[in-house]
Amino acid sequence: AQSVTQLGSHVSVSEGALVLLRCNYSSSVPPYLFWYVQYPNQGLQLLLKYTTGATLVKGINGFEAEFKKSETSFHLTKPSAHMSDAAEYFCAVSRMDSSYKLIFGSGTRLLVRP
Amino acid sequence: NAGVTQTPKFQVLKTGQSMTLQCAQDMNHNSMYWYRQDPGMGLRLIYYSASEGTTDKGEVPNGYNVSRLNKREFSLRLESAAPSQTSVYFCASSGRQGRGNTEAFFGQGTRLTVV
Repeated sequence: AQSVTQLGSHVSVSEGALVLLRCNYSSSVPPYLFWYVQYPNQGLQLLLKYTTGATLVKGINGFEAEFKKSETSFHLTKPSAHMSDAAEYFCAVSRMDSSYKLIFGSGTRLLVRP
Repeated sequence: NAGVTQTPKFQVLKTGQSMTLQCAQDMNHNSMYWYRQDPGMGLRLIYYSASEGTTDKGEVPNGYNVSRLNKREFSLRLESAAPSQTSVYFCASSGRQGRGNTEAFFGQGTRLTVV
């Protein structure tokens, strides 16, 4: 069965500092991996995704993530945090078959200090 | 292009009442999902439908039923609401795997309170 673990329910950084949100997955077959962002009282928006090909994936708003198969990780990073990045971030995993389920981690709330 | 539309946006129910949450997508996606979101627990899959005419249980199906009415619509029914079903519910849809459209699109959510 697939699963996702996000380390840290809350992460606090200063504006301009590096953002690192951790995600580890479990999947018996090659995974598809996603990061979504949720702003207060809104739905989820895709930040970036890894399906196949290049393991370093760039997304919107300056975020990127690297798929590391040996570490079963897909950590999200951004070099310099902005106040507008404050939100909840979700890592998710699915797989390459026609009846895949999209399974989410428990989420990490990012706080950005001025 | 509306994407994924959920109704209602807010609902208060009394324990034991029933209701149906509606979801429609206009992106010609094959797969549709219902999730519930609770603090500290992320999004948990209730039911999903990989294609028109099929539905399968997710992680937390107890107390819910679903209907994939056609390719566009996927409804979630609470037959006898309980306070434990107080949550925010999200519907999502995505294209068929292997055709380059693996991103799931989400509705704006339904905030349900059961008293």
